[in-house]
Amino acid sequence: AQKITQTQPGMFVQEKEAVTLDCTYDTSDPSYGLFWYKQPSSGEMIFLIYQGSYDQQNATEGRYSLNFQKARKSANLVISASQLGDSAMYFCAMREINTGNQFYFGTGTSLTVIP
Amino acid sequence: DADVTQTPRNRITKTGKRIMLECSQTKGHDRMYWYRQDPGLGLQLIYYSFDVKDINKGEISDGYSVSRQAQAKFSLSLESAIPNQTALYFCATSEATGQRTGELFFGEGSRLTVL
Repeated sequence: AQKITQTQPGMFVQEKEAVTLDCTYDTSDPSYGLFWYKQPSSGEMIFLIYQGSYDQQNATEGRYSLNFQKARKSANLVISASQLGDSAMYFCAMREINTGNQFYFGTGTSLTVIP
Repeated sequence: DADVTQTPRNRITKTGKRIMLECSQTKGHDRMYWYRQDPGLGLQLIYYSFDVKDINKGEISDGYSVSRQAQAKFSLSLESAIPNQTALYFCATSEATGQRTGELFFGEGSRLTVL
């Protein structure tokens, strides 16, 4: 079974609007971390936001927030006030702390911000 | 200078040739990883190392080998390159378990083309 599932291969959003990128995960490890990375067309991987499995509150970093629903095993990324520079691939990832400590990545969502 | 440096950044080679991708880091992290990225497949783990004497296979290690020469250096070798190893390769580092986020820090990527 896939550890990380991103069901939206491509998304479009109007500039200045908010957009939600979906991510579900599968783990039996009670201790894990969830990450979102941005990959612009230049190719580098940029860390955006982190959510720990024991964190009580949803993580926020500037215009990025993570909608963490533990019971549903979802960790959706919300980008508010989209900008043209937000156009990129976005990857959701998980790190299982007690089970090998590896990182698992989803297949990514390509976001295009429309002027 | 980047904290995680990969060389070469781009390489075109022929089938059957031996190729080495090198990675060095100044983060002081014990953990290093090699990932491969193919369009539509996200990032797949090739090998990882949690310290100099520790080497582990990832999900797609066949056809690859690695060497951890020092804490700061982790190289990936393709002993006899084949066209389906054409991909973008990333080196990454992370802190050990127990740190708040433990996110992956990525190099700039090495784009390899095997003809």
